[in-house]
Amino acid sequence: GENVEQHPSTLSVQEGDSAVIKCTYSDSASNYFPWYKQELGKGPQLIIDIRSNVGEKKDQRIAVTLNKTAKHFSLHITETQPEDSAVYFCAASFYSGGGADGLTFGKGTHLIIQP
Amino acid sequence: DSGVTQTPKHLITATGQRVTLRCSPRSGDLSVYWYQQSLDQGLQFLIQYYNGEERAKGNILERFSAQQFPDLHSELNLSSLELGDSALYFCASSPWTGEREQYFGPGTRLTVT
Repeated sequence: GENVEQHPSTLSVQEGDSAVIKCTYSDSASNYFPWYKQELGKGPQLIIDIRSNVGEKKDQRIAVTLNKTAKHFSLHITETQPEDSAVYFCAASFYSGGGADGLTFGKGTHLIIQP
Repeated sequence: DSGVTQTPKHLITATGQRVTLRCSPRSGDLSVYWYQQSLDQGLQFLIQYYNGEERAKGNILERFSAQQFPDLHSELNLSSLELGDSALYFCASSPWTGEREQYFGPGTRLTVT
């Protein structure tokens, strides 16, 4: 089955700086890669996703890149703000026209924004 | 607010007991996924239902079962509970028809004593 590794487990950055979280996956059949943000006491919130036929996707301060050959994908957050502090999870799954399989998650990155 | 609702928010029970967790998907979503989140195992996919039918199984124990009803709400049944079953249980829903995004509910925190 799929295995997703995520690094680092904790990331502390100064407010205004950029943060990068990296993930690798093992199953070359995976073609859908979402990122979730989880705040304390809440469920994971989808923040951005990318499909395997796309190399990069951007949404305001958040961007995701995908390297299919190397089987890794990354989340980039620019101009970090205090409200970006949370745990971030990467995930992978196989998606067909009929819908997506269950997600395989990384272990999470605790992002701390220092004022 | 994702539009996915889960009840109860918290559940405390004893070893050996059985509990039922409930999930209502977003309006119009046909597919429901159940996940378990624990410190040991992280976020793990348990089982998926589509329009009332089981579609896929992940790391779900034999003591656990689920179903999806005609009104599309889903229930996760956990029986013969052990201390290690203490975790957060999340439900996610997806439209299924050409969409891939999964939207998570707020979760049910289960504590087994």
